[in-house]
Parts: sequence; C-alpha cells; structure tokens
Amino acid sequence: GAVVSQHPSRVICKSGTSVKIECRSLDFQATTMFWYRQFPKQSLMLMATSNEGSKATYEQGVEKDKFLINHASLTLSTLTVTSAHPEDSSFYICSARMTEFNSPLHFGNGTRLTVT
Amino acid sequence: ELKVEQNPLFLSMQEGKNYTIYCNYSTTSDRLYWYRQDPGKSLESLFVLLSNGAVKQEGRLMASLDTKARLSTLHITAAVHDLSATYFCAVDMYQGAQKLVFGQGTRLTINP
Repeated sequence: GAVVSQHPSRVICKSGTSVKIECRSLDFQATTMFWYRQFPKQSLMLMATSNEGSKATYEQGVEKDKFLINHASLTLSTLTVTSAHPEDSSFYICSARMTEFNSPLHFGNGTRLTVT
Repeated sequence: ELKVEQNPLFLSMQEGKNYTIYCNYSTTSDRLYWYRQDPGKSLESLFVLLSNGAVKQEGRLMASLDTKARLSTLHITAAVHDLSATYFCAVDMYQGAQKLVFGQGTRLTINP
C-alpha cells in the first residue's frame, strides 16, 4: 500500500533555531501534501496544503513566514519551523493522497518537536 | 465553515460490550473517513465511506454513512482490549482546494 515517510520522528531544538521536517511519498506521486499539527490529546489541525511547484496554501492563523513549506518534487515536501519557540512544540504530521479519486489520505509517522 | 463533531469524546467500556461512536458534520460532503491513532503514533486509515448508505466492516468495527443526516457511525461489536485507541472521523471538503477536516477524536478505553 501507499507509504508516506516522515523524518525525523523526534527532534529537540533550542529556542531561536530552525528545524526542517521532510515528508516523502515512497511509492506514489503526490501533487498535493498536507501538513497537520496536533497538540497533546487534541485533534489534528490543518496548517497548510503543499502544492508541487507552487506556493503552499496556509490555513487562517498559520504564519507562513514561520512555517515555511517547500514542495520541490512530486515525492517530497518539507516543513521548516523557523526561529522555533517552546509554544511550537507539538506533533507535526504530513499526509499525502494518491491521485485516484476518493483515495484516503495516507499519513506519515509524525515528528515530535520539542523546543527548549 | 465545515465543522465535524464526534460524540462521545471519551468512552470507557468493558470487553465484550457493544458501542457506537457518532460523527456529525455541518455541510454537504459525501466522503468521510475513519482513522485510528494509538498514543504517540500517527493515523491509520480504517474506513473510506463514499456514498449515502455506505456500510463497511472490518473485524469488530463497522462504519456507516448517512449523507442526508450528515452523520456517520462507527460501531464496535464485542470490544476487545486491542481496540483501545483514539478514533477520528474526517470529512472531505472543497474550499478553494480539497482538504480533510477532522473531528475532535473519541478516546476509547476498553477494560478487561
């Protein structure tokens, strides 16, 4: 089945530094990938839609300059958390959908970000 | 704005019992998904429901969709401990682009 690989699975960084998270579709091409954020014991909140070869579409309230998204190829999207602060600590999950109509979203394993 | 609401949010039940999780959504959509999440893990796709009246079953779980009522149910039959997890429903919507909106999740605990 379709596999989405996310890396790293866990990262700890200091305040003010930047962290890059990679999301790869391993056995299919994904023109669109989605980045979600999940706080402990809460639901998933869509941050942005990553479009291959064009700018990402951000949800209301998500700072595009803080969460930089690049979708340079049909199998890779990256999320960079710039100048991270402790409040950015969260579980970030990427997902991708195969091109077949009505296929479900396949999720990466998530990245646990802790900013100290 | 699409809202997806699950009920209940927390459910503790005994092994062997049956129960149902409900998922209501606020605008028209005919694509609904159920996912399972174990603690510290990502989401696992359980069911894809694509039309009114769709019913799918996998083991002790059965999901259904009523698009007219904007309601989906996830029914658990003769629960076992391994089914303890958080279950999310999610609805496809198109708002400039296609995206998935999640319910709050139902944390299910099954006690021996």
